[in-house]
Amino acid sequence: SSEVTQDPAVSVALGQTVRITCQGDSLRTYYASWYQQKPGQAPVLVIYAKNNRPSGIPDRFSGSSSGNTASLTITGAQAEDEADYYCNSRDSNGNLVIFGGGTKLTVL
Amino acid sequence: QLQLQESGPGLVKPSETLSLTCTVSGGSISSDNFHWGWVRQPPGKGLEWIGNIYYSGSTYYNPSLKSRVTISIDTSKNHFSLKLSSVTAADTAVYYCARAPFVLYWYFDLWGRGTLVTVSS
Repeated sequence: SSEVTQDPAVSVALGQTVRITCQGDSLRTYYASWYQQKPGQAPVLVIYAKNNRPSGIPDRFSGSSSGNTASLTITGAQAEDEADYYCNSRDSNGNLVIFGGGTKLTVL
Repeated sequence: QLQLQESGPGLVKPSETLSLTCTVSGGSISSDNFHWGWVRQPPGKGLEWIGNIYYSGSTYYNPSLKSRVTISIDTSKNHFSLKLSSVTAADTAVYYCARAPFVLYWYFDLWGRGTLVTVSS
């Protein structure tokens, strides 16, 4: 299948932990990567290849994977983490990039 | 520090061809460590991958757009380009160019700021 799916919206209380998930058959073969996008801005890579953080990304962001599900966890969510989050993977059937539909994270 | 910058017309008429260029500065587009890609985002919607190109010219396209898309690379000018033919209002979007490490797991580690292209007569 050439799809990965995400919950449209998730909320978290300030300082608490939140998990954003991404599901799809391709995730059994290829690890997911995750992007944060704030309004009017380009996406920013926050996790790549399951659980690697680019330079400058806070360590409260982490990734994991099990079966056909990848997860982005924010431990101790901050107000500035409120954003849209997208997962992406390589399609297991070919040389294609697939994106999830995005999850809008609200920090309460 | 490597940067990517999209450029091109912000308004395209229906049925015409959308043309954008991504200029890479602060590094070489000829590196064999990276793909270069295009991603778009219609207003209020999610990200959609358009395609990637390698410095050698090898291309990979989204099957849903493949019949209308051409991505090319000019290593002498350190830029790569997108052409999307027969556009309709559904092609109105912010278009991003991005860099993708040439590794097993395809992802984009560096993005341009994006450029809004509106399809309208």
